[in-house]
Amino acid sequence: NAGVTQTPKFQVLKTGQSMTLQCAQDMNHEYMSWYRQDPGMGLRLIHYSVGAGITDQGEVPNGYNVSRSTTEDFPLRLLSAAPSQTSVYFCASSPGTSGSVISYNEQFFGPGTRLTVL
Amino acid sequence: LAKTTQPISMDSYEGQEVNITCSHNNIATNDYITWYQQFPSQGPRFIIQGYKTKVTNEVASLFIPADRKSSTLSLPRVSLSDTAVYYCLVGDPARSGGYNKLIFGAGTRLAVHP
Repeated sequence: NAGVTQTPKFQVLKTGQSMTLQCAQDMNHEYMSWYRQDPGMGLRLIHYSVGAGITDQGEVPNGYNVSRSTTEDFPLRLLSAAPSQTSVYFCASSPGTSGSVISYNEQFFGPGTRLTVL
Repeated sequence: LAKTTQPISMDSYEGQEVNITCSHNNIATNDYITWYQQFPSQGPRFIIQGYKTKVTNEVASLFIPADRKSSTLSLPRVSLSDTAVYYCLVGDPARSGGYNKLIFGAGTRLAVHP
């Protein structure tokens, strides 16, 4: 299993540009989520999904869109990039209802995408 | 969601036991306590989870007193490779429509010295 994969690893955007960060998992996990991590800070939840076709907002959803058309993929779209969105973005997945209680909390994280907005 | 408080940083030496305590005074009845580890330039990695008393796995032990208002992550005989940030999170997997919106705080930066 490849686990959780993210592309690209690095990206530089200009203010106002849009782009999509890709996330895929091959573990058949129900739950997927996107976090951002600013330097020296913890992770903040952007959006999450509890299954194909179902998404919801986290702590900091403004400026981002998500969709979940398949179990495997959960792309994050930046609509109009701003310097405040400069951060490292992590995608994560967890088994959810298909596993034991521990499966809700055991999230598997991807390697991250380092985004800089100029 | 329950708020957690951890020390910002800790220092230790190779071979020592390290205990990181997390306070969660407003933990709810159905909340579980979960710990993650994060190395620089990597995503967090799940370490251990518990509800009450003691849980042990191949990596760490988690001690939870009866009132559950705090928990202690214990790392036996640390090595240089245990230098990382450790996050304590609490949450209820049954809330939010089945998704546990775990909140990551700033964590505890553990530095292990030779």
